[in-house]
Amino acid sequence: TQLLEQSPQFLSIQEGENLTVYCNSSSVFSSLQWYRQEPGEGPVLLVTVVTGGEVKKLKRLTFQFGDARKDSSLHITAAQTGDTGLYLCAGETPTSTLTFGKGTMLLVSP
Amino acid sequence: DSGVTQTPKHLITATGQRVTLRCSPRSGDLSVYWYQQSLDQGLQFLIQYYNGEERAKGNILERFSAQQFPDLHSELNLSSLELGDSALYFCASSVSGLAKTQYFGPGTRLLVL
Repeated sequence: TQLLEQSPQFLSIQEGENLTVYCNSSSVFSSLQWYRQEPGEGPVLLVTVVTGGEVKKLKRLTFQFGDARKDSSLHITAAQTGDTGLYLCAGETPTSTLTFGKGTMLLVSP
Repeated sequence: DSGVTQTPKHLITATGQRVTLRCSPRSGDLSVYWYQQSLDQGLQFLIQYYNGEERAKGNILERFSAQQFPDLHSELNLSSLELGDSALYFCASSVSGLAKTQYFGPGTRLLVL
């Protein structure tokens, strides 16, 4: 079983601060996705990274895929209250299904 | 709005009962995935269908079954329900069956009393 460990589990910060959340595994994934989930809703896809070492930017969010395609990070610059939510990483397995981490719950206070 | 619809939004039932959850994929998507989300286990893949055929199986219990119909909607049947089956159940769809392009529905919250 390919497992993804996310850290930290919970993060509470003030608006304007920067933060990084991590997604680590001992397994290699062909791609990795980051999702954000808000209470009472389904996960929403933020980004997919495919190539080892790849960096993608989405406004204030920067995603990086590790060189060995086993880990990833999400960095948010100048966090806003609208960034509050559960951030999930998911790795694509050899059978083209997704295995999810348990998520990082981010709370951004005004 | 992802374009994936799920009904019902909430479901309360008793142990031992059977329920059916329904999912309509985005227009044009051929593949449907079912997931279970609980606080202790996180989001767990249950099963995938592609154009009516089962394609992949995950951590799905034998008491659970699913199918995808000719119009591509899917149903997840949960039987002999136990307290531990209380969870959020999500459906996702994709065009080609590639895992990396899934769009999730809003979920069905199941409470077993």
